[in-house]
Amino acid sequence: EAGVVQSPRYKIIEKKQPVAFWCNPISGHNTLYWYRQNLGQGPELLIRYENEEAVDDSQLPKDRFSAERLKGVDSTLKIQPAELGDSAVYLCASSREGTGLSSGANVLTFGAGSRLTVL
Amino acid sequence: QKEVEQDPGPLSVPEGAIVSLNCTYSNSAFQYFMWYRQYSRKGPELLMYTYSSGNKEDGRFTAQVDKSSKYISLFIRDSQPSDSATYLCAMSSIYNQGGKLIFGQGTELSVKP
Repeated sequence: EAGVVQSPRYKIIEKKQPVAFWCNPISGHNTLYWYRQNLGQGPELLIRYENEEAVDDSQLPKDRFSAERLKGVDSTLKIQPAELGDSAVYLCASSREGTGLSSGANVLTFGAGSRLTVL
Repeated sequence: QKEVEQDPGPLSVPEGAIVSLNCTYSNSAFQYFMWYRQYSRKGPELLMYTYSSGNKEDGRFTAQVDKSSKYISLFIRDSQPSDSATYLCAMSSIYNQGGKLIFGQGTELSVKP
């Protein structure tokens, strides 16, 4: 089974430029998450999708960040314009709906992340 | 104050040592407690999870939850160089059934041969 695939793995841009990250979740996983991980910190949730609906975007800085999950599969996270403080690793994760962790439901599987450096 | 606090380390131990990693939390609604391992330049991978209080053992790893003290621990016995990674505790309330995770900042562990 292929894991969560993210691209690009690394991106270096100058401030005020736009950037986009793509995520392909595990087949059959209806819930998709975008997390941001700053250096030396744990991941912080940006947005959570159930199928194509964003059910929790309270932590997404909406002035410059946007996300979409067309057809409830792949997702794109965009930043425009990027700021120096946006330098971080952007992690995508997915999980399948179910009742209880013991069945494997609601267990998040993370991708390798997209490392953004804003100069 | 952060909802989940974790000593960032770094922690360096000799091979074969017992390692103790800990987190404290403030939100009494947390019911799901997880430990993730993250190798350098990789995404976090789930090691263990527990629901509510108690202990859980899986091979060399033991997870403990003390809800009365709002304190969780991960013990690694007979530590190996391959255990060198950052260990992240993560928690979720029953309303999210483990889905929406709040992470600690991670403890960097190095096991020396």
